[in-house]
Amino acid sequence: QVQLQESGPGLVKPSETLSLTCAVSGASISSNYWSWIRQPPGKGLEWIGYIYYSGSTNYNPSLKSRVTISVDTSKNQFSLRLSSLTAADTAVYYCARGGNGDFYPYNWFDPWGQGTQVTVSS
Amino acid sequence: QSLLTQPPSASGTPGQRVTISCSGSSSNIGRRTVNWYQQLPGAAPKLLIYTNYQRPSGVPDRFSGSKSGTSASLAISGLQSEDEADYYCAAWDDSLNDWVFGGGTKLTVL
Repeated sequence: QVQLQESGPGLVKPSETLSLTCAVSGASISSNYWSWIRQPPGKGLEWIGYIYYSGSTNYNPSLKSRVTISVDTSKNQFSLRLSSLTAADTAVYYCARGGNGDFYPYNWFDPWGQGTQVTVSS
Repeated sequence: QSLLTQPPSASGTPGQRVTISCSGSSSNIGRRTVNWYQQLPGAAPKLLIYTNYQRPSGVPDRFSGSKSGTSASLAISGLQSEDEADYYCAAWDDSLNDWVFGGGTKLTVL
């Protein structure tokens, strides 16, 4: 059974950089695409970007200038960095398997991690 | 504002059939497959329907999906109290090079 677990700080200051990690168990990270998705409080879902184990990435155009997703195959995990944070980045951040819209069977998100709440505040 | 349009709410009584619509455009639903996610209160989203109508293992056949043109629908038959959740549709958008989601539909079982 594939499981994903997000980790990182729950509180980050404005203008700083958020760093989150997603640990994957039950599957090799070297066999799929891996995504980050976020959900602001009381709102809908927003895709942030995906990475392939080779390091190939694709980011949401609206976040592209601030986002970096990386992979560590030795630790079977991938990470998110989001810079220049504002209050608008306050959200629950989820990691998930999949997300390449061009290729079956990668063009959906399953499974998801439980999510981690990130609050941007001074 | 979400690029896929869903009704904000839907409701039904136990045993009823409920349908949730998802309207998009030629750059997303019109040329791409649609996925549906169920988000129970306080939980992470879960894949409910993929590639328009396929159900992952473990999802009851009470849940079904369909797509026609630039719209898609999720139908839930034999409504149960545990179906009370938020439901989101999603599709890749070729013009935006981005995943687009519906705003979500909150299903209430009366």
